[in-house]
Amino acid sequence: GESVGLHLPTLSVQEGDNSIINCAYSNSASDYFIWYKQESGKGPQFIIDIRSNMDKRQGQRVTVLLNKTVKHLSLQIAATQPGDSAVYFCADLNTGANSKLTFGKGITLSVRP
Amino acid sequence: NAGVTQTPKFQVLKTGQSMTLQCAQDMNHNSMYWYRQDPGMGLRLIYYSASEGTTDKGEVPNGYNVSRLNKREFSLRLESAAPSQTSVYFCASSVRGALLSLHFGNGTRLTVT
Repeated sequence: GESVGLHLPTLSVQEGDNSIINCAYSNSASDYFIWYKQESGKGPQFIIDIRSNMDKRQGQRVTVLLNKTVKHLSLQIAATQPGDSAVYFCADLNTGANSKLTFGKGITLSVRP
Repeated sequence: NAGVTQTPKFQVLKTGQSMTLQCAQDMNHNSMYWYRQDPGMGLRLIYYSASEGTTDKGEVPNGYNVSRLNKREFSLRLESAAPSQTSVYFCASSVRGALLSLHFGNGTRLTVT
């Protein structure tokens, strides 16, 4: 069936290092892939998305890579800061007749000072 | 602009009690959604309202009802709460079904004992 999942439940990185958060998906028909950030006590916040016909997209300090061959998505955060500490999760969007957004489970990013 | 506002932030219910979770958005969005977030699982769609005057079931609608009171407000009602409904509930809104750009509220943490 369709599923979007994250490989690891927690990730600890040193402040200033780069972070890489990985995600696997199973629905080959998805049109977009999205990364969200959720801070403690708050709702999910959109970070960046990538269309299925792209391999890479860059934002401010973030890069998303899409490997359709192995159905893998990653979020890279450059120069990780304490404010990046949060739960991150991926989602895939199928924009067909019955548009559907499927969320992954989430991984906690902890930034060490 | 406040964005998406949810009330209450926290609620404890006994099994069998009823309550209504309130959600309001001030972004003039057409579409509104209710999700639940449980540990170890991705966000799951309970109900949504594509536009004022319409509501539809999502992935996990059993035990819930919704009302799209007007364009701004979308409420979620639990008629007879069960422990399985212990969760964090998020309301979201978007421009006319644009799932790629959801705006989430900060959630209601509900415990049913």
